[in-house]
Amino acid sequence: DGGITQSPKYLFRKEGQNVTLSCEQNLNHDAMYWYRQDPGQGLRLIYYSQIVNDFQKGDIAEGYSVSREKKESFPLTVTSAQKNPTAFYLCASTPGTSGYNEQFFGPGTRLTVL
Amino acid sequence: DQQVKQNSPSLSVQEGRISILNCDYTNSMFDYFLWYKKYPAEGPTFLISISSIKDKNEDGRFTVFLNKSAKHLSLHIVPSQPGDSAVYFCAASAPDTGRRALTFGSGTRLQVQP
Repeated sequence: DGGITQSPKYLFRKEGQNVTLSCEQNLNHDAMYWYRQDPGQGLRLIYYSQIVNDFQKGDIAEGYSVSREKKESFPLTVTSAQKNPTAFYLCASTPGTSGYNEQFFGPGTRLTVL
Repeated sequence: DQQVKQNSPSLSVQEGRISILNCDYTNSMFDYFLWYKKYPAEGPTFLISISSIKDKNEDGRFTVFLNKSAKHLSLHIVPSQPGDSAVYFCAASAPDTGRRALTFGSGTRLQVQP
């Protein structure tokens, strides 16, 4: 059945290391998003992609990078430049960015920097 | 500057009674509003949405009301059930830049007592 998968569910990283979070969807959605959630806060937009081979910075893109080489995949790299990377990361997708469409979310990846 | 605010961090109701969750927004460009339900360490699940051309949308036990003049929306759950216990996020989107990303409130934790 269709959905969004994120892996791994838990990830531990040492300071100074880059790490890549996986996001895959088989919903045939054009648009994909990465959000970050911190305790007691709502989700904040890191990056988004409206179409393959195109992506744009969101509200808190510093220290992150993405790629969109395939429609179904939108990996997020947390670089050593991200000052406070410990958080819960959520990937989402939607059929497109015109009109009203709800976003579907993956199960999330909890990243902890040791 | 929080564009979407959920001023009640928590709410406790008795099973069978009505739950009312509130949300305020400041950006008059928002034209689509959504409610998501979230359990710890999981991705948000879409509940119900409303576009700015409507003032009410109903789906089973869930009803969302939109008051554009007051920039306020609310989610009513009737009757409340213990399985409704979760964190509820209000979200909004605007057609600006075509990205259709969601701006989230900080969430309200609903506890339904048996």
